[in-house]
Amino acid sequence: QQKVQQSPESLIVPEGGMASLNCTFSDRNSQYFWWYRQHSGEGPKALMSIFSNGDKKEGRFTAHLNKASLYVSLHIKDSQPSDSALYFCAVGLSGSFNKLTFGAGTRLAVCP
Amino acid sequence: EAAVTQSPRNKVTVTGGNVTLSCRQTNSHNYMYWYRQDTGHGLRLIHYSYGAGNLQIGDVPDGYKATRTTQEDFFLLLELASPSQTSLYFCASSVGGGNYAEQFFGPGTRLTVL
Repeated sequence: QQKVQQSPESLIVPEGGMASLNCTFSDRNSQYFWWYRQHSGEGPKALMSIFSNGDKKEGRFTAHLNKASLYVSLHIKDSQPSDSALYFCAVGLSGSFNKLTFGAGTRLAVCP
Repeated sequence: EAAVTQSPRNKVTVTGGNVTLSCRQTNSHNYMYWYRQDTGHGLRLIHYSYGAGNLQIGDVPDGYKATRTTQEDFFLLLELASPSQTSLYFCASSVGGGNYAEQFFGPGTRLTVL
């Protein structure tokens, strides 16, 4: 069964700093990778997806995927206090409808 | 943006009680999901559906039933609630079922089983 592990469990970065969140997965048939963000008291919201090896940039957010190494990461440049949230990595297998497997999350705090 | 609503937002029940959690989405999405969120486990899929009358089993289905009555409405039923089902429950929807489709989540229902 797919295992998705995130590190670190929690992270504190200064405002304007770089936050780096890591995610490893176990199934080599994994094809779809998502990052979701959850602010306190709200439901998770999709931040970005990445389906091909390499980097994908959306504004201050860059996702990196290396399927051979079973690794995906998220980097937040110029972190803002509003980025303080719980970040989930979610992984889906290729093929017909498959379920996303979520990691346990990384809690990010951005301090002014 | 896709709208997913859940009710109630908070619920307290006793062991052995019956609980129904409701979810409605108004964006004509085909797929709907029920998750539970627990510290240290992230989000775990309980049941999902790809249309009215359809039900698929997720990863942690024991103790839960679900029913999709319409395109918009998806219900989660706990017929004999246990303290282990104390959790934060989220409903989500997506236009497609492939993992390429973004899931839109509701605000959550916090359930406490005493």
